Order: sequence, then structure tokens, then C-alpha cells
Amino acid sequence: ETGVTQSPTHLIKTRGQQVTLRCSSQSGHNTVSWYQQALGQGPQFIFQYYREEENGRGNFPPRFSGLQFPNYSSELNVNALELDDSALYLCASSLDAGGNGYTFGSGTRLTVV
Amino acid sequence: KNEVEQSPQNLTAQEGEFITINCSYSVGISALHWLQQHPGGGIVSLFMLSSGKKKHGRLIATINIQEKHSSLHITASHPRDSAVYICAVRRGGNQFYFGTGTSLTVIP
Repeated sequence: ETGVTQSPTHLIKTRGQQVTLRCSSQSGHNTVSWYQQALGQGPQFIFQYYREEENGRGNFPPRFSGLQFPNYSSELNVNALELDDSALYLCASSLDAGGNGYTFGSGTRLTVV
Repeated sequence: KNEVEQSPQNLTAQEGEFITINCSYSVGISALHWLQQHPGGGIVSLFMLSSGKKKHGRLIATINIQEKHSSLHITASHPRDSAVYICAVRRGGNQFYFGTGTSLTVIP
């Protein structure tokens, strides 16, 4: 059972398009992280937001961007989609920047054709 | 080179067997998590460890900080335990390094 909800669960986009993925965290969870999991791989850290500010970023290009809102929801935006962007995108939230109460969402499966 | 290495990559067991999945890491960490991922993608956090051992039902997780090694044990395995088990280490905040996972299949 998870308190983190992601939408949509599945999505198909065309190369070059833009996509927005959404995550709704548990109330009080001030920190949210996004991960990309390619098929057969472990999740890779994209970035982290704490109190609506980005405070950590992995090795992803600027066309991956995010937003965090005061209502504990957040977005991952990807511009100029490439075929290699096809993956499961996971959102995880926690009570604080130290990772307490860490909870994953079930993910959004993005397919780029 | 991965900061987190898991073994084995794939594991098939008969129902009732005792199962061990290993995780080694090469960086300093603040905590280690064992995660379970079922087909369809959803990830569930099983354990968070910073030292010693934790037990939850048939699952036991241990960590040796000096040796940078952790193990996940499943006693009396059951087909519903079939999933991918992922070891993830946290260096600070929410930045995790993940292993590539161990795919477990338990046969009735």
C-alpha cells in the first residue's frame, strides 16, 4: 500500500513531443525525487526537490525538468522526447531531506515511438 | 562501474526454500534499503537499514557497514515472493544508488 500516487500509469508519445508526468505525495512529505528505470536496469536518479526547490540532480540533460507544488504534488517534464526516454518513471517522497518515511509510487510507463 | 552490485541476478527456488540475496556497495552510505518490485512496476520498500539486522515476517535483512555488504533472506519461500528485489543505498538526502535487482521466481 502506497501513499504516493502517479499518473498516468501508462503513456505513449511520439519522438520530439513533450510529456508531463505527475506525482501526488503524502501530506507532509516535503521532499520528492524522480527516477528513470529502463528495462532490465535499476532506477537512475533524475533530480530531487525539497520545499519546491531543486536540491539535487543526476546525470540527465536539461530537457528533463521538474516542479514541486505546495500541495505535495510534483511534475516531471521531458521535452524533445527521444526513443531512449522510454522507461518506467518513479516518484518517491519522504518527510524530510534526510529520507525519513521514504515511499515510492507505482510509476508511469512511458513509451516513445 | 556500479556503486551497488547485487547477486545473483536471477534466482529460481522451490517453494519452502531459504533464499539469500546479496548486495555490496563501494561508497559511504547513510542508509541501505531493500525494495521489492512486482511485474507492472510498483516498488515497495521492505527495509531501511543503517546497522545490524531487521526482521519482518519471513524476511530478514542484515548489514555489515565495515564490509559494505548487506543480505536479504527469505525463509520458507512462497510463490507470492516472486518479484525483483532491489538494493538501494542512500548517500544523503533522497539521492539513491540502485543495484540492477535480483529476479526471484519461486516455483510451487
